[in-house]
Amino acid sequence: DARVTQTPRHKVTEMGQEVTMRCQPILGHNTVFWYRQTMMQGLELLAYFRNRAPLDDSGMPKDRFSAEMPDATLATLKIQPSEPRDSAVYFCASGLGTGVGYGYTFGSGTRLTVV
Amino acid sequence: EDKVVQSPLSLVVHEGDTVTLNCSYEVTNFRSLLWYKQEKKAPTFLFMLTSSGIEKKSGRLSSILDKKELFSILNITATQTGDSAIYLCAVEIKAAGNKLTFGGGTRVLVKP
Repeated sequence: DARVTQTPRHKVTEMGQEVTMRCQPILGHNTVFWYRQTMMQGLELLAYFRNRAPLDDSGMPKDRFSAEMPDATLATLKIQPSEPRDSAVYFCASGLGTGVGYGYTFGSGTRLTVV
Repeated sequence: EDKVVQSPLSLVVHEGDTVTLNCSYEVTNFRSLLWYKQEKKAPTFLFMLTSSGIEKKSGRLSSILDKKELFSILNITATQTGDSAIYLCAVEIKAAGNKLTFGGGTRVLVKP
């Protein structure tokens, strides 16, 4: 059963520290999304990639967030420096991006708490 | 700006009731509309709709899309407590690699 793997599952860090979240998309999927979910804002799109190329990262605070895909099996989202308002669940999702009927698959998320 | 709006925000029903959830959208270059169910963890995929008027069905869940009026509905019949979840609607936009934008979700609570 193919799945999207995210690490770590939980992260508690102090304000000002660097945080790196990792995502392993499903093998063969060429589209990867990063979302942030909070009670107030719901699911917000931060960035997404197609064939490892960044297509849109306008949802990210550029001064502190960065997203990369160093290879087809790894996507990373980095926050430096972290702030308490970054506390949220960060989801990665992958798919084929061709309108095939099964949509996009989400990972289990990284729950980030910045204190 | 692309918009996806879901209603109601939340609802409470009793087992056996039928639930209808709404999703309206205003986007450029529409490609598809997707429904997800989110319980405690990650959203899980329910349906993808691309054509108007064709109902997609899975057990007690069904969904249909109206591309003229720009909305979709998700129906759940004979609800069970296991249907309690947040239901999310997302629109896939046919531009620069199919951007996926979510609505705010509808929280459904099914009481025994």
